[in-house]
Amino acid sequence: QVQLVESGGGVVQPGRSLRLSCAASGFTFSSHGMHWVRQAPGKGLEWVAVISYDGTTKYYVHSVNGRFTISRDNSKSTLYLQMNSLTTEDTAVYFCAKDIGSGWPPTTFGHWGQGTLVTVSS
Amino acid sequence: DIQMTQSPSSLSASVGDRVTITCQATQDISYYVNWYQQKSERAPKLLIYDASNLETGVPSRFSGSGSGTDFTFTISSLQPEDIATYYCQQYDTLPWTFGQGTKVEIK
Repeated sequence: QVQLVESGGGVVQPGRSLRLSCAASGFTFSSHGMHWVRQAPGKGLEWVAVISYDGTTKYYVHSVNGRFTISRDNSKSTLYLQMNSLTTEDTAVYFCAKDIGSGWPPTTFGHWGQGTLVTVSS
Repeated sequence: DIQMTQSPSSLSASVGDRVTITCQATQDISYYVNWYQQKSERAPKLLIYDASNLETGVPSRFSGSGSGTDFTFTISSLQPEDIATYYCQQYDTLPWTFGQGTKVEIK
């Protein structure tokens, strides 16, 4: 069965960096687009970034563009989110999600991980 | 960006009731809407894709309809296990955006 396990969350000071990982199993990772979606405490869902199945195409929500970088290592079945210049507004649970297809753009979050909490605080 | 206005923000209904949630887009998005269920801020679950298609394994009491700017999500007979927050999501134009969510409770 599909499994997505996020890691790398924690408490970080404003302006610092953090890298999240999402280890995937139970499906052909290299055949699917992947997403990061976040949820601030007590708030709704916010889509953050998407990457194509082969890693060549990426897109970000405006609020993180230029600060966050999504990437993937298909040989390790792992998705990443490098987060730089963090602000308190980035405090959230970060979910990775597997798209249901392999086309561009990936549109639908078919499976989700349990999330990893990122807290940006001084 | 396309905004999705979801209503109501919360509702309380009895077991067996019909529950309806609406989502309105700020522009025509054809049928490019998905619906998700999230229980207690755990991992969300895809219920409906392409506005009206039921994801495999999802009970048939869940349904979706609509096109253009107006979309509806329905639970035909509310069950205790349906207590959750429900979100619509558009995928017509990047960045993908969600509605604000509807919290469903049992009366």
